[in-house]
Amino acid sequence: DTAVSQTPKYLVTQMGNDKSIKCEQNLGHDTMYWYKQDSKKFLKIMFSYNNKELIINETVPNRFSPKSPDKAHLNLHINSLELGDSAVYFCASSQDRGRETQYFGPGTRLLVL
Amino acid sequence: GEDVEQSLFLSVREGDSSVINCTYTDSSSTYLYWYKQEPGAGLQLLTYIFSNMDMKQDQRLTVLLNKKDKHLSLRIADTQTGDSAIYFCADTRAGRRALTFGSGTRLQVQP
Repeated sequence: DTAVSQTPKYLVTQMGNDKSIKCEQNLGHDTMYWYKQDSKKFLKIMFSYNNKELIINETVPNRFSPKSPDKAHLNLHINSLELGDSAVYFCASSQDRGRETQYFGPGTRLLVL
Repeated sequence: GEDVEQSLFLSVREGDSSVINCTYTDSSSTYLYWYKQEPGAGLQLLTYIFSNMDMKQDQRLTVLLNKKDKHLSLRIADTQTGDSAIYFCADTRAGRRALTFGSGTRLQVQP
């Protein structure tokens, strides 16, 4: 009965590899997000999709590509991983009704070696 | 977060009240939120307030909003050791769905 789930929870990989993080929400929400939390705990928006359409694309390297196959899923693919990509990546979702209360997944802890 | 600021650390004794403060700069902020993050965990929504409200109370939590000064606070009554966590304030703005977060306040509750 998890509302927003992410896989994997932990991801350790070598520089230069390509990896994907998956997110699913069962809340029936229209909008999904990816946030990045760095080692100092700063949280910043990366992307947002509404009904499978990209609506927010912050200044993020082209190596990061989100994909939304349907309203309930938003995946994040990262090419050519770099040391600076090490962070916790959070997926979130919200209903598009004006009050944008966002519900977060448990996070994916990415460590690039 | 560049537009939302919080103090970094607060230490209180168990049973005392905690007050966590936040200031924001964007006058178009529509909703303001408080999230809690425990070590190694995700973000838990605690409460939120609409920008035309002054106060909201929810059990042990009281949110105060001073829109003129762009100041938001979260008061936790009877603070418990389980309240130890990082608390983030965040806002949404007109025409922008994403949350802008503060840097987080680490609350330490001493027994």
